[in-house]
Amino acid sequence: DGGITQSPKYLFRKEGQNVTLSCEQNLNHDAMYWYRQDPGQGLRLIYYSQIVNDFQKGDIAEGYSVSREKKESFPLTVTSAQKNPTAFYLCASSKFLRTGDYGYTFGSGTRLTVV
Amino acid sequence: GENVEQHPSTLSVQEGDSAVIKCTYSDSASNYFPWYKQELGKRPQLIIDIRSNVGEKKDQRIAVTLNKTAKHFSLHITETQPEDSAVYFCAATTVASNDYKLSFGAGTTVTVRA
Repeated sequence: DGGITQSPKYLFRKEGQNVTLSCEQNLNHDAMYWYRQDPGQGLRLIYYSQIVNDFQKGDIAEGYSVSREKKESFPLTVTSAQKNPTAFYLCASSKFLRTGDYGYTFGSGTRLTVV
Repeated sequence: GENVEQHPSTLSVQEGDSAVIKCTYSDSASNYFPWYKQELGKRPQLIIDIRSNVGEKKDQRIAVTLNKTAKHFSLHITETQPEDSAVYFCAATTVASNDYKLSFGAGTTVTVRA
């Protein structure tokens, strides 16, 4: 479905619990990104990775962690330190600079709710 | 970092009329400006983009204009149809750097009235 798959589609987290959101792409894209979407606030960057085994914090990284052990995978962990995690999370990938194609391909998103 | 502001936040137009969404950016080094459309319950999808060496780009009923001096760019949708109803996001970045990431506006919810 579009080459980038996020799972699960819906996720419920209890207070104090860590949860991990999956993002996998088969587009051979170098760069991968995690954004958080809240009503009226657009897409805010959490973490991004340009190459395997390297990643950088975005604008709202506190309370989140990531890993990039494989080119295809970029999981996001929402830790108990994230005080307001209820949101829609979007993963994206990009070919980056090599091909001159700079657009993102987005996954279908994970809706996380704290219960 | 780059800061992108987008206006209006909501836009209601009569079917067949035009819709215009405006964005401003803060970083004069930004040189790539894409627009994404997100239909209800779906993922954002790229609909058009423009590089800083071009002032205008058209694709059927949509067009984007860029004013580098004023640091603003706009999306124009002509002859709007019900399927144009969606949330539209503008974004900006500098593609020459090794730190490529898009900064998005807050989004505009467009409703086309039949």
